[in-house]
Amino acid sequence: DTEVTQTPKHLVMGMTNKKSLKCEQHMGHRAMYWYKQKAKKPPELMFVYSYEKLSINESVPSRFSPECPNSSLLNLHLHALQPEDSALYLCASSQGGGFYEQYFGPGTRLTVT
Amino acid sequence: AQSVTQPDIHITVSEGASLELRCNYSYGATPYLFWYVQSPGQGLQLLLKYFSGDTLVQGIKGFEAEFKRSQSSFNLRKPSVHWSDAAEYFCAVGYQGAQKLVFGQGTRLTINP
Repeated sequence: DTEVTQTPKHLVMGMTNKKSLKCEQHMGHRAMYWYKQKAKKPPELMFVYSYEKLSINESVPSRFSPECPNSSLLNLHLHALQPEDSALYLCASSQGGGFYEQYFGPGTRLTVT
Repeated sequence: AQSVTQPDIHITVSEGASLELRCNYSYGATPYLFWYVQSPGQGLQLLLKYFSGDTLVQGIKGFEAEFKRSQSSFNLRKPSVHWSDAAEYFCAVGYQGAQKLVFGQGTRLTINP
């Protein structure tokens, strides 16, 4: 099973709302990733968790707050977002390290109004 | 810094024709190379990967890719495309010791009936 699931599929939120994106994998992978993808662009790495610890934060604004409750789950908490944060948010997992393939979820389409 | 170049932003081919998508990476340590495909509004799906060994690798959906170290290239090929192959294709490279993949800008493939 190489499935990564993400919920919700679509999310519309106002600039004062607080919401969360969820990601789950059951492949026993030790690394999990959040990406942001704008239209016609490659995925842009936001955060990397390795063995449930945050190992990379690509200078992401604090209105995005990641959380890794356990090795199978990854959350992205959203607060006070801006319209320019509207994008497809992708979660991925891998066995860890840049030499392992990453498996991607279907993404959450986020619209900030 | 590592980089990946996909020289073709958009390619159009006729259904049944052969396909080659180009990918060049910057020189560095031994690269680990990946091709992903993304249909509109979906996540990325791994087509194939190269770690070592035989330089011609087979992937899913009838795709193959050839690693040429002398040219720093990892081009994706398919002998006969189907309308369902229309999508965005991303080449990515990872390196041992790195925790993240570097993605190319992508090539959008359009199929003419």
